[in-house]
Amino acid sequence: SQQGEEDPQALSIQEGENATMNCSYKTSINNLQWYRQNSGRGLVHLILIRSNEREKHSGRLRVTLDTSKKSSSLLITASRAADTASYFCATDAIETSGSRLTFGEGTQLTVNP
Amino acid sequence: NAGVTQTPKFQVLKTGQSMTLQCAQDMNHEYMSWYRQDPGMGLRLIHYSVGAGITDQGEVPNGYNVSRSTTEDFPLRLLSAAPSQTSVYFCASSYLSYTEAFFGQGTRLTVV
Repeated sequence: SQQGEEDPQALSIQEGENATMNCSYKTSINNLQWYRQNSGRGLVHLILIRSNEREKHSGRLRVTLDTSKKSSSLLITASRAADTASYFCATDAIETSGSRLTFGEGTQLTVNP
Repeated sequence: NAGVTQTPKFQVLKTGQSMTLQCAQDMNHEYMSWYRQDPGMGLRLIHYSVGAGITDQGEVPNGYNVSRSTTEDFPLRLLSAAPSQTSVYFCASSYLSYTEAFFGQGTRLTVV
């Protein structure tokens, strides 16, 4: 079964608004990553947050991690039409450390111009 | 830098046929992996390799074989294609399993 689960499955907003996506996972992790996938393309790495970090920023992206709740959120501020994509969280679980990332099912974000 | 290169981009197979999906990376990454992506299922790990000569099974390995004779190449072989293997396949590489992964553009496979 999938380690990470994104919420919501789909999100539609207007350009300029903020978009928040959530990821929940089941077991203890070493780190959590977020990826973006444009339609018909491969995944692109956005940001990595370690288990001992609570918040991380990269440009218009803000990621938070709450290990006590086993959840993470990705905030995209001042969204643009070009942000339209699917967003996935991926976890490196301690129990499988050194062997794999496990991906969630993704959130489909649509930013309307 | 080419990054991760997958070939072919599209493929149609008949049930029972075999084929090899190619994956090559030029970043000298030790870790390489194959995923399949199905609607509503996210990415599922098929096989992975932590270095040349070392491979292991992921979440959904049945029907697939891999080998890693060089650091650069990690081909995925479908032994006897089945309609259930219709999917989009992605190859990825990274320095370590939990560091930033670089993905290929994907291979869209249809088995009829």
